[in-house]
Amino acid sequence: DGGITQSPKYLFRKEGQNVTLSCEQNLNHDAMYWYRQDPGQGLRLIYYSQIVNDFQKGDIAEGYSVSREKKESFPLTVTSAQKNPTAFYLCASTTDDNSPLHFGNGTRLTVT
Amino acid sequence: AQTVTQSQPEMSVQEAETVTLSCTYDTSESDYYLFWYKQPPSRQMILVIRQEAYKQQNATENRFSVNFQKAAKSFSLKISDSQLGDAAMYFCAYRSAYTDKLIFGTGTRLQVFP
Repeated sequence: DGGITQSPKYLFRKEGQNVTLSCEQNLNHDAMYWYRQDPGQGLRLIYYSQIVNDFQKGDIAEGYSVSREKKESFPLTVTSAQKNPTAFYLCASTTDDNSPLHFGNGTRLTVT
Repeated sequence: AQTVTQSQPEMSVQEAETVTLSCTYDTSESDYYLFWYKQPPSRQMILVIRQEAYKQQNATENRFSVNFQKAAKSFSLKISDSQLGDAAMYFCAYRSAYTDKLIFGTGTRLQVFP
């Protein structure tokens, strides 16, 4: 079955360390997205990519980086420059029309 | 830049009654898509309904319907015959037809009472 896989489900890191969250899809979708969700809040857009080797900053890109070397993969790196990285991170993808987003199950990152 | 505003942090409804969740958005674009997503405690995002901006007819999906007012930039969700399983966070979302940028509102927590 096609879908989006985010790994790991839970991730723990020490402050000052970079960490990379994985997002893989086998839906042949062009567009991929990373969102951050804090408790009781909405989804805030970090980065998105419309095609391979191209991506755009979202509303809260500072302290994050991404790459899109393959259509199926859109990893997110949370750098030590991100002031408050502890959050729930959701990856999503969709085709190039009004199709709905397909979401992964999310990664809960805790930085101490 | 586009923005999506949900002005109701929490709403409640009696089972079998009707409730309307509000959403307004701001954009200078003429072509875009609007969505309502539901997020239960499992945190899985579930599409409820979608609307193309170029369509005047309001979208309907079973008990869910929208009131799309393009000039007013309003996109409210009506849930009829509310069920206990409708209790969740509801997010309104905007997707640009030009850039594919997709943003969400801050959400409305819906409680359903028996």
